[in-house]
Amino acid sequence: AQSVTQLDSQVPVFEEAPVELRCNYSSSVSVYLFWYVQYPNQGLQLLLKYLSGSTLVKGINGFEAEFNKSQTSFHLRKPSVHISDTAEYFCAVSDIGDAGGTSYGKLTFGQGTILTVHP
Amino acid sequence: GAGVSQTPSNKVTEKGKYVELRCDPISGHTALYWYRQSLGQGPEFLIYFQGTGAADDSGLPNDRFFAVRPEGSVSTLKIQRTERGDSAVYLCASSFPGLAFNEQFFGPGTRLTVL
Repeated sequence: AQSVTQLDSQVPVFEEAPVELRCNYSSSVSVYLFWYVQYPNQGLQLLLKYLSGSTLVKGINGFEAEFNKSQTSFHLRKPSVHISDTAEYFCAVSDIGDAGGTSYGKLTFGQGTILTVHP
Repeated sequence: GAGVSQTPSNKVTEKGKYVELRCDPISGHTALYWYRQSLGQGPEFLIYFQGTGAADDSGLPNDRFFAVRPEGSVSTLKIQRTERGDSAVYLCASSFPGLAFNEQFFGPGTRLTVL
């Protein structure tokens, strides 16, 4: 079983400031890691994912995240936020699956972090 | 192209009633998932279909919840004898299973309110 903890429920920030949204996970097996964004009244949209390889992954809208296996973390960062980044962000994991490397991808989500960008 | 659609977008019902929530996945996507998002929480897995069969229903909270996908496309989540605690946003997602990773595409959700 896996669990995901997002350490901040709300993060207020001024426009053009940097931001970091924190995510820690717990799992007894290897996992894939994801960040999703949910704009008001819209569905979840995949922001970025870590499957393997380089621990620094880049996503859409200028976001990036770094996988740290020793600290079981996958924090999301953006060097300069915009008003349009105001949304709720979810960190999620899914197990890598069987020996063949396939997984049906059941996601376990964190509680979410509401990012509010002020002018 | 068309994404995942869910109907209705909002459903208000009274305690004890029966409700059905519908999900239309992206055409060609054989995998379909239901999640439930309670207020202030992240989505929680309910059930996963591969084709017509429920491959994993371990997230269904009790036997009042049931889901079907008879033709391997549209899915219906059915809730009997609704309770106030069932109020939540019900999300559907679909994917096309690949070699190692299936990106899930989410619908906008159905907001269920049980009075």
